Amino acid sequence: QVQLQQWGAGLLKPSETLSLTCAVYGGSFSGYYWSWIRQPPGKGLEWIGEGIPRGSINYNPSLKSRVTISVDASMNQFSLKLNSVTAADTAVYYCARHKTGVTAFDIWGQGAMVTVSS
Amino acid sequence: EIVLTQSPGTLSLSPGERATLSCRASQSVSSSSLAWYQQKPGQAPRLLIYGASNRATGIPDRFSGSGSGTDFTLTISRLEPEDFAVYYCLQYGSSPPKYTFGQGTKLEIK
Repeated sequence: QVQLQQWGAGLLKPSETLSLTCAVYGGSFSGYYWSWIRQPPGKGLEWIGEGIPRGSINYNPSLKSRVTISVDASMNQFSLKLNSVTAADTAVYYCARHKTGVTAFDIWGQGAMVTVSS
Repeated sequence: EIVLTQSPGTLSLSPGERATLSCRASQSVSSSSLAWYQQKPGQAPRLLIYGASNRATGIPDRFSGSGSGTDFTLTISRLEPEDFAVYYCLQYGSSPPKYTFGQGTKLEIK
């Protein structure tokens, strides 16, 4: 059974860099796109970006200037960096996968709350 | 940029009733790129429907999806107590690659 386990710093100050990692256990890493999605408290979902092992990385245009996603097939992990954070970046951050050819996220991580506060 | 608008914002129904949730796209989208999710408080979203009408693994058959073009519908035939949650639609656009969620419909117990 595939599981995504994510971790990273939960409290940041404005202008710092958010850094999260998601590890994939119990299933294949290749053949899937690996995404980051966030949800501000009490609000809806926003896709941040995706990557595929040894392939392309795609970003939400609204965040592209501040986001870096990396995919490490040797470790079955992928990571998110979001720089110059503000209070507007406070959210639960999820990692998730979708299979190539199926445009829906079928497996999600448990979510990580990241708070930006001075 | 495609915008997904879900209606109603809140739907109040009783267990056993039928729920009909709408997702309208600002321009025509491929049915293969439309999905529905259920989210309960403190949990990650759960995939219900992909490709507009295909139930995901383990999803009960009381959940069904339909629609094409700009109008899509999630129907729950007979509500169970565990179905009360927030529902989101999701669309994938390829130029440039981007996923967009609707703003959600809260299904609450009447």
